[in-house]
Amino acid sequence: DTAVSQTPKYLVTQMGNDKSIKCEQNLGHDTMYWYKQDSKKFLKIMFSYNNKELIINETVPNRFSPKSPDKAHLNLHINSLELGDSAVYFCASSQDAFTYEQYFGPGTRLTVT
Amino acid sequence: QKEVEQDPGPLSVPEGAIVSLNCTYSNSAFQYFMWYRQYSRKGPELLMYTYSSGNKEDGRFTAQVDKSSKYISLFIRDSQPSDSATYLCAMTQGGSYIPTFGRGTSLIVHP
Repeated sequence: DTAVSQTPKYLVTQMGNDKSIKCEQNLGHDTMYWYKQDSKKFLKIMFSYNNKELIINETVPNRFSPKSPDKAHLNLHINSLELGDSAVYFCASSQDAFTYEQYFGPGTRLTVT
Repeated sequence: QKEVEQDPGPLSVPEGAIVSLNCTYSNSAFQYFMWYRQYSRKGPELLMYTYSSGNKEDGRFTAQVDKSSKYISLFIRDSQPSDSATYLCAMTQGGSYIPTFGRGTSLIVHP
């Protein structure tokens, strides 16, 4: 039973394309997150949703648009992909927005050529 | 200067060794300190978290925080090959539950 799952695991695409990454959690958590881990391994928060509402929106280009159709799902759509978008994108969830323990998905490795 | 500094390693030790992993930070507002373990091609998993200065022990793992020096450590006793992973420190300011991560230290425990 995978707690936090992401699809796809790998994504190779060309500059200028639009792509989506999907995330699902079966833990019954209220809060979900998107993180970006760059080539130097720094993990940085991008967005957070609590019960389908956006609560954190870090300084991220508006080409990135998260969507939460329900509290178990959080998707990330990226328009006009750029070389610098190449990274590993992690979805995570937590019981609520006041919990330190976050459960991470396996990551989606995005390569933009 | 990054808010959280962590030597990326790799740190290679023989099985059974005591491992010391460390982070320094610059923001004195950080109050909660965490250690995550990340296996290759996997997401991070939370190992331990501590509040303020002092030690916290969980099995073979001990987390230590020295706020006066802005220095945190994770000790692993009797290290095993299965401990081979990247260890990321993370910390949050009071009132925030979103961590600032270090870049991680790669640990290799060889049999």
